[in-house]
Amino acid sequence: GESVGLHLPTLSVQEGDNSIINCAYSNSASDYFIWYKQESGKGPQFIIDIRSNMDKRQGQRVTVLLNKTVKHLSLQIAATQPGDSAVYFCAESFPIYMDSSYKLIFGSGTRLLVRP
Amino acid sequence: DTEVTQTPKHLVMGMTNKKSLKCEQHMGHRAMYWYKQKAKKPPELMFVYSYEKLSINESVPSRFSPECPNSSLLNLHLHALQPEDSALYLCASSQVARGTYEQYFGPGTRLTVT
Repeated sequence: GESVGLHLPTLSVQEGDNSIINCAYSNSASDYFIWYKQESGKGPQFIIDIRSNMDKRQGQRVTVLLNKTVKHLSLQIAATQPGDSAVYFCAESFPIYMDSSYKLIFGSGTRLLVRP
Repeated sequence: DTEVTQTPKHLVMGMTNKKSLKCEQHMGHRAMYWYKQKAKKPPELMFVYSYEKLSINESVPSRFSPECPNSSLLNLHLHALQPEDSALYLCASSQVARGTYEQYFGPGTRLTVT
């Protein structure tokens, strides 16, 4: 069946350190993998994505790594800041129809706590 | 404008009530989604609309009835809900084109069923 899971439910890091959030997935049929950030009282916010034929993608202070051999996805946040405190979800994207909408399956989430 | 708005922010309803959740976007997105999120859990897909037509119903009970009256609006009609339906209901929208997959989420409606 489809499932996306995370190894660590809570991650506590010192401000300025790098954070690594991990995610394991079981279905290999998705086009994209996406990381979302959800702050308290808000909806999920897109952070970064990676296409299934890539193994690394960098954004501003964030890097996503994809290892399809072991079905593992990670989000690296450089120089973690207090504003990074949130719950982070990985998600797999499955097209519903080609050139049309798509379905997101979310992982269980990791709470990132940034200590000042 | 990259905002998805949802009303109301909070809703308390009894099990015999009928209420509606509303979602609006003006980004020209032709795909819209309803998700349900329980506390400390990930969002779970309920419905997908593509070009104002229902394309996915994830086996959602009939007490939840979605409606997409036009390309900017998405409603979720609620009737005879159960206490276990209490959750955060999130609306999202996205473009409908291959390779574009970012879904924009609204802040959600926090629903409490008493």
